[in-house]
Order: sequence, then C-alpha cells, then structure tokens
Amino acid sequence: DGGITQSPKYLFRKEGQNVTLSCEQNLNHDAMYWYRQDPGQGLRLIYYSQIVNDFQKGDIAEGYSVSREKKESFPLTVTSAQKNPTAFYLCASNQYLSGNTIYFGEGSWLTVV
Amino acid sequence: DAKTTQPNSMESNEEEPVHLPCNHSTISGTDYIHWYRQLPSQGPEYVIHGLTSNVNNRMASLAIAEDRKSSTLILHRATLRDAAVYYCILNYSGGGADGLTFGKGTHLIIQP
Repeated sequence: DGGITQSPKYLFRKEGQNVTLSCEQNLNHDAMYWYRQDPGQGLRLIYYSQIVNDFQKGDIAEGYSVSREKKESFPLTVTSAQKNPTAFYLCASNQYLSGNTIYFGEGSWLTVV
Repeated sequence: DAKTTQPNSMESNEEEPVHLPCNHSTISGTDYIHWYRQLPSQGPEYVIHGLTSNVNNRMASLAIAEDRKSSTLILHRATLRDAAVYYCILNYSGGGADGLTFGKGTHLIIQP
C-alpha cells in the first residue's frame, strides 16, 4: 500500500541529546513537509522540501535540521538547541502541483525526560 | 497571518447534519479550499476539496460561496466516528508550503 511511514511512534530524549525522526513515502511525491503539533494546538510548519537536495525553513525551524538526499525520505533531526521539543511531529507529502491533496503520516511523539 | 477562520468548537447530535463554516476572505483565484480532519494522536486525513463549484464525495459535501470568501463542510448524517478536529486550509495552486498553514481548526463534538 502507498503511504507515509513515520518512525518511531514514541521516542524519549534526554536533555542535550539530538534525535532523528524518520519519514519515508512511497507515493512518488515531490514535496515533503514536517509539522509540529502541541496539545490542543494546530500544526506549525518546521521545514519543507519541494525537490531532492533542496529544502526551506518553515515558521519554526530553529533547533531543527533536515536532509533530502532521496525523493522518498525526509528525516528530521531535533537538536539540543531546541529548548522545548516535547510535541507530536507530523510528516506529510504531496505532489508539487496545483491544489494537490496532502498526505500525512501517523505522527511521532517526542518526549524529553 | 491566519488565512482561514473557523469556530473553535461545535457540537451536534448523532445522525443529524453538521455544517462546519470557514471564512477565507483573502482567498485568491488560484487557491483551492481543502478540508482535513484529525483524530487524537493521528495524522490529519483528507476530507474534500474544491475550487469554485460545490463538491460531493462519500465522506462529505463542500459548499463554496459564490464570492469564494467562505465555505461550509457538510456532514450529512454525523456519527460518533466523525468527532474530530476539522481543518480548513487554502492550498495554493502553485504548490509549495505557502498555502499549507493549518490553524487550530474546529473541534467537532458529537453527542449520542
């Protein structure tokens, strides 16, 4: 089945550690996105990538980094510079054309302990 | 800046129709109106989208105002499984992330 796979579903991080969240899609989509969601809040855009080897900062990129070495993969690293990383992280993709549907993964919960 | 405005929450009874409003007064001619819904601890799922004409699918209907400055998602017969947060967004037809701003959405509560 085609879709977006995020892993892990749950992740615990110690303060000062970097962690990487995986996002893989087999939909052959050009564009991929990372969002952060805090409890009771909407989605905020962290980074997005429209093509391989290119990505742009979203609204809250500080403390995060990404790479797009392959079309199907868009990992997100939450660095120690992110002071409040505990949140629900969502990866999404769509075909970079007019008004196309956005497909989301199931999300990853990151908790700092 | 929020491109769409939705009520924070709405409540309805099971098996009754639900009309979820969305205002998007700054919509441009190339913006598609998309609706997604999100269950707790899950990623949002696509519901419906449209450009100018009203749209129907197996999940819902989308009614778009003639001036396109507002739209309404219609669930014809709500079930308990429709309880979710519903997001209305403007998906810029040129692609990119400019049109992928999700606000807080409308929390739909369904009473049995």
